[in-house]
Amino acid sequence: GAVVSQHPSRVICKSGTSVKIECRSLDFQATTMFWYRQFPKKSLMLMATSNEGSKATYEQGVEKDKFLINHASLTLSTLTVTSAHPEDSSFYICSARELGAGYGYTFGSGTRLTVV
Amino acid sequence: GEDVEQSLFLSVREGDSSVINCTYTDSSSTYLYWYKQEPGAGLQLLTYIFSNMDMKQDQRLTVLLNKKDKHLSLRIADTQTGDSAIYFCAERTDSSYKLIFGSGTRLLVRP
Repeated sequence: GAVVSQHPSRVICKSGTSVKIECRSLDFQATTMFWYRQFPKKSLMLMATSNEGSKATYEQGVEKDKFLINHASLTLSTLTVTSAHPEDSSFYICSARELGAGYGYTFGSGTRLTVV
Repeated sequence: GEDVEQSLFLSVREGDSSVINCTYTDSSSTYLYWYKQEPGAGLQLLTYIFSNMDMKQDQRLTVLLNKKDKHLSLRIADTQTGDSAIYFCAERTDSSYKLIFGSGTRLLVRP
């Protein structure tokens, strides 16, 4: 079946630095990828929708300059958390929608970001 | 607007059936999904139902959809300890490919 690889699974960084998270569809082409943020014991909050070759669409309240999204190819999207602060600590999950698929969304395994 | 709600917690004995409920507000939902999340992991698609269906069964899982009441349920038969996890329902509307998630129901299966 469809597999989405997300790396790293866990990262600790210092305040003020930037962190890049990769989301890669391994055996299918993803026209659209989604980035979510999940707070402890909470639901998934959609941050942005990423379409290959075009600018990402951000949800209301999500800072574009802080969460940079790049979807350079049909198999790779990246989320960069710039100038990270402790309040950015969270669980980030990507999902990919397969080109031509009706219902299917495949999720990555998530990235636990801790900013110290 | 879009809103999806679930009860927060359910506890059942091993071997019993579990029923997790979900309500949504957007009547234009096309697909409705159930996902399972284990601690520290991503989401695993359990099943989905198209909006023109009332019921879908897949092994131990039964999904019921009441479109009039905008109510979705997931029944897990013969619940096992390995079923303990958080279960999310999600809806997708025709107007976008975004998934809107409920708050998640934490299922605890007692031996």
